[in-house]
Amino acid sequence: QKEVEQNSGPLSVPEGAIASLNCTYSDRGSQSFFWYRQYSGKSPELIMFIYSNGDKEDGRFTAQLNKASQYVSLLIRDSQPSDSATYLCAVVNAGKSTFGDGTTLTVKP
Amino acid sequence: GAVVSQHPSWVICKRGTSVKIECRSLDFQATTMFWYRQFPKQSLMLMATSNEGSKATYEQGVEKDKFLINHASLTLSTLTVTSAHPEDSSFYICSARGSGQGANTEAFFGQGTRLTVV
Repeated sequence: QKEVEQNSGPLSVPEGAIASLNCTYSDRGSQSFFWYRQYSGKSPELIMFIYSNGDKEDGRFTAQLNKASQYVSLLIRDSQPSDSATYLCAVVNAGKSTFGDGTTLTVKP
Repeated sequence: GAVVSQHPSWVICKRGTSVKIECRSLDFQATTMFWYRQFPKQSLMLMATSNEGSKATYEQGVEKDKFLINHASLTLSTLTVTSAHPEDSSFYICSARGSGQGANTEAFFGQGTRLTVV
């Protein structure tokens, strides 16, 4: 079992729809959780981070964390074609980040 | 956000040669730097963690004599790939965390270096 698991996708949604990305992790000691967006050939860029159980909203993005279920998700509202990318979930414990394999999202005009 | 600059952005080298990649924090002091490698359609794999002034901690399976990491100052870490082989061709990415940050807070990524060994 991988330490951080994501559906590889591809996930395809129409423009304007909600995209839902999911991530589960195995280390119960994980302290913080990050979502990154990575375009092909580029370095990851931070979208959201969340430390506490519940929801955290930033513009069109909402991160949801449930530590009891070891689950973190990212919702993208009003999806745009420019949101098409690979989304990486990262889990941090004791300063060390572990990344999932990423979910490829395609937003169709 | 904090800026991390990585150089070069791409490099092609011959088999058997060495390549040095630089990672600089431009507007903060990076006490901890991380080096990752990413193969196509795969995730980031941590190679090593370096703290300024001390030896890097390598992940299991990463050869420390092949991937030399130096973190001699609070703003610069280097990764040298020695005796490069075609299988070392990959996307190498650094990230850095500042002295004022908690251990589990965001680390800032460099732009990445595409290494191709021919």
